[in-house]
Amino acid sequence: DQQVKQNSPSLSVQEGRISILNCDYTNSMFDYFLWYKKYPAEGPTFLISISSIKDKNEDGRFTVFLNKSAKHLSLHIVPSQPGDSAVYFCAATPGGADGLTFGKGTHLIIQP
Amino acid sequence: EPEVTQTPSHQVTQMGQEVILRCVPISNHLYFYWYRQILGQKVEFLVSFYNNEISEKSEIFDDQFSVERPDGSNFTLKIRSTKLEDSAMYFCASKGEAHSGPTDTQYFGPGTRLTVL
Repeated sequence: DQQVKQNSPSLSVQEGRISILNCDYTNSMFDYFLWYKKYPAEGPTFLISISSIKDKNEDGRFTVFLNKSAKHLSLHIVPSQPGDSAVYFCAATPGGADGLTFGKGTHLIIQP
Repeated sequence: EPEVTQTPSHQVTQMGQEVILRCVPISNHLYFYWYRQILGQKVEFLVSFYNNEISEKSEIFDDQFSVERPDGSNFTLKIRSTKLEDSAMYFCASKGEAHSGPTDTQYFGPGTRLTVL
């Protein structure tokens, strides 16, 4: 039962272009959505998040969009840089003490 | 910048042995979590801990697992009798207040790689 889905296992983008990573969810109880970046053998690093009362949150090169009716969110990175190459995980939670439910991740490769 | 720390970075144990994984959460945080990631799979929630008791646990967190906050700084995960399938990266995470600001953000440690032989 995949409550959070990232359907693209990998994505290749040229340096300087926009990277768009997608995530879908099924649980209507989720109130907070987070994106984490992860390198092999390291812990997830928090990038950006959004609560269900908003439809957009921006932080520097990173923007997260939330479409509640479609149960879909996306992470935009612009411009993409070589250091952005990593696995990106979408996660969601109802909040409070509840744990995060993660997607399977998308491996982003930025090509020079 | 405050961060979550975990020790050891790598633990090798024999099947059936007990292991204790240690975490020091960010100092003013109130919520503590354990997750695991089996090689090639997604990060999975194990347990959350608040106000000195378990708040939520997943199906994975069965009787062989336990958590403890023995003092004001450490948060531990004990696996009583390890199995081969317990081999994974184990991540600790912490969070401030409930619904901390607009983001409800959990911050993760670097992980402990557990290998069960």
